[in-house]
Amino acid sequence: ETGVTQTPRHLVMGMTNKKSLKCEQHLGHNAMYWYKQSAKKPLELMFVYSLEERVENNSVPSRFSPECPNSSHLFLHLHTLQPEDSALYLCASSQAGTEGPKKLFFGEGSRLTVL
Amino acid sequence: SQQGEEDPQALSIQEGENATMNCSYKTSINNLQWYRQNSGRGLVHLILIRSNEREKHSGRLRVTLDTSKKSSSLLITASRAADTASYFCATDVRYNFNKFYFGSGTKLNVKP
Repeated sequence: ETGVTQTPRHLVMGMTNKKSLKCEQHLGHNAMYWYKQSAKKPLELMFVYSLEERVENNSVPSRFSPECPNSSHLFLHLHTLQPEDSALYLCASSQAGTEGPKKLFFGEGSRLTVL
Repeated sequence: SQQGEEDPQALSIQEGENATMNCSYKTSINNLQWYRQNSGRGLVHLILIRSNEREKHSGRLRVTLDTSKKSSSLLITASRAADTASYFCATDVRYNFNKFYFGSGTKLNVKP
């Protein structure tokens, strides 16, 4: 138990579906992250929210839409995805700030399969 | 790209042997971290080394950092079958502690 919970753990969707991934952290952190992990590729930093404000958007296609309603919750809304979007989506949190090193706490991931 | 790159991509050793994994990165950093991932699970933080440190130990883990070569190594001594996992290095961005970039990882298999 890392203090970061992701749901669902597995999701299968068609290309025309709309679904959402949810992440909740119980660590009192103020920054949350979405990473995409595809086989044999580096983890891809998708979005960073710090103090509920999006501070990073690494040219992610608009079919991925993040939402951070408060510092404990993070969503990734999915619509009209492509088969190449099938991957493990990892949520992480940290205590953001300007001083000192930070470390990430990850959830168990949501395994997405797009048919 | 600012991502770290781990080497080798895969490593298979016998229980009791030492395992060494390397990481190279491209830009100046504040800190470098190593994470572990069991198959299909989330990543777990192992150890952090600051840019002004050269070596750090934690139990059976030893991390070195050479900022002049922009490289780091993770040594796991006396490996166990339970060490079987993927290992990733993560780098942040100089003057920004809040973004972390990972490589593709080294997949370690420790045979009993």
